[in-house]
Amino acid sequence: EAGVVQSPRYKIIEKKQPVAFWCNPISGHNTLYWYLQNLGQGPELLIRYENEEAVDDSQLPKDRFSAERLKGVDSTLKIQPAELGDSAVYLCASSAEGRTADTQYFGPGTRLTVL
Amino acid sequence: KQEVTQIPAALSVPEGENLVLNCSFTDSAIYNLQWFRQDPGKGLTSLLLIQSSQREQTSGRLNASLDKSSGRSTLYIAASQPGDSATYLCAVCNDYKLSFGAGTTVTVRA
Repeated sequence: EAGVVQSPRYKIIEKKQPVAFWCNPISGHNTLYWYLQNLGQGPELLIRYENEEAVDDSQLPKDRFSAERLKGVDSTLKIQPAELGDSAVYLCASSAEGRTADTQYFGPGTRLTVL
Repeated sequence: KQEVTQIPAALSVPEGENLVLNCSFTDSAIYNLQWFRQDPGKGLTSLLLIQSSQREQTSGRLNASLDKSSGRSTLYIAASQPGDSATYLCAVCNDYKLSFGAGTTVTVRA
């Protein structure tokens, strides 16, 4: 069974440019998460989807970040415009349902460098 | 807000020694606690999940304990091997949300 797929794996951009990350969760997983991980820290939740509905986006900086999960499968996270402080690893995870007992499965992440 | 702390931040041991990794959290009203492993440049792999009603969980050489009332969990890795070198993260679940510690980076010397 394929795991969580993310692309690109690495991205280098100039500040003020837009950038987008793509995630394909494990087949059949209804819940999808986007996390931000800064160097030397644990991941922090940005947004959680149940199917195509964003049920928790309280930590998403909505002035520059946006996300979508059309058809409740793939998801895209966008930053526009990017700032130097956005340099980090962006992780996508999925679980069968959003129940508390479910293990989350993580993708390899996209490492973003903003110059 | 849930705060999760992991001590120590880094650990270096000779091969064969047992590892003890500590995790503490401030809000004891958790649903579960998970331990993850993260290798450099890679995502997180779930190692163990302990439900709030459980005291411990075991998988092979790994054993994790949970004391919810005191806000503590410990991950034990028996007879460490160089392949155990990685960063280990603790995460607690409140209201469907995982809060992570910063991790303990383990180096096992051959």
